[in-house]
Parts: sequence; C-alpha cells; structure tokens
Amino acid sequence: AQSVTQLGSHVSVSEGALVLLRCNYSSSVPPYLFWYVQYPNQGLQLLLKYTSAATLVKGINGFEAEFKKSETSFHLTKPSAHMSDAAEYFCAVSDRSNTGKLIFGQGTTLQVKP
Amino acid sequence: EADIYQTPRYLVIGTGKKITLECSQTMGHDKMYWYQQDPGMELHLIHYSYGVNSTEKGDLSSESTVSRIRTEHFPLTLESARPSHTSQYLCASSGGQGVIETQYFGPGTRLLVL
Repeated sequence: AQSVTQLGSHVSVSEGALVLLRCNYSSSVPPYLFWYVQYPNQGLQLLLKYTSAATLVKGINGFEAEFKKSETSFHLTKPSAHMSDAAEYFCAVSDRSNTGKLIFGQGTTLQVKP
Repeated sequence: EADIYQTPRYLVIGTGKKITLECSQTMGHDKMYWYQQDPGMELHLIHYSYGVNSTEKGDLSSESTVSRIRTEHFPLTLESARPSHTSQYLCASSGGQGVIETQYFGPGTRLLVL
C-alpha cells in the first residue's frame, strides 16, 4: 500500500531564503507523485506532478521537486521564498488504480518571515 | 471557464438538521471525490465516484451519503448533523485522457455544527 510522510509540520524561512519541504513515500509500484498548495480558506491547487518522464519537475510559482528513487523522496524546493508562498503544502501519491485516488501526507505549513 | 464549484462556502447549523453540500464541475470529468479535512490535518477520502450512478465509500468512514445522477454534480448529504461532523469538506474531480489523472479541487465548505 502507498503512503506519504512529510517531515516537519511547520517550516519557517525568511523572505528570499531557500524553501525545502520534505516528502518521503512508500509504494510497491513506481509512484505518481504530486505537490499541492492550499492557501487559507481555499481548496488545493496543483503545484507540480511527477509522472516518470523526468526526475526534476518544474511547477508553478518557481517551485520544483526532484524524484529520488534511491531515497524514496520527492522534496519540494524554491530558491527564494516570497511572502505570498506562506501556505499549507501537501504531498500526495497516486495508488495508480483506475480510481485515480490520492493518498495525502499530513501537510507542512510554510511560514515566511519578512 | 472550466472549474469546480462548491456551495455553500460556510455553513453553521444546529444538531439534527439535514444538510446537503453541493459540488459541481464544468470540466466534463468522470471521477469525483469528497474529502474531509480537519484544521492542520491531512485530507481523508470519504466518497468517490467513477461516473453517473457510481458511488463508493472512501478510506475514512463517514455517516454522509452521496449521489451521482449527473456527470457534473456530486452532492454530499448528512441526514442528521452532529458536532462531530464539524470539519472542512473538499470536493475534487479528475478525468481526461492519459494514464495520470490530476485531481482538481473546489474551494471547500467549512461546516460548523452547534
């Protein structure tokens, strides 16, 4: 069965600093992996997804993530944090069945300090 | 513009009332999902649908029920609301061509049962 672990429920960075949000997965088959962002009082918005085409995936708003099979990781990064990046971030893995179901991690709250 | 809508956005209601949370999408997606999300927690799948007249229970047991009479509409009903139902409910849809389906989320409904 698939599972996702996000290390660190809260991450705080200064504006302009590197953002690193960690995600490790467990999957018995090659996974499809997703990062979503949730701003206060809103639904989830897709940042990027890994579909086995390339290990480094670029997403919206300057975010990218690298799939590392040997580490079973899919960490999210952004070179320079902006105040508008403050939000909740969720990593998810697809169960690759025809249901399209996703298994979500517990989320990481990103705080950006001025 | 293709989108996914949820109404109401906020609902405060007394114990024992019947409520229906609405979800509609204009993307022509076959699959739709309902998630329950408590503050600061991960999303838990409570219902999903492959298409018209198809509904399945999700990974988290829920006293709510759903129906799928039209492709674009996937309402969730609680026959008798209780304080334990207080949560945020997120609707999502996925579909289209290709193996990897991306879920698109509505803005959510925040439910408070007094």
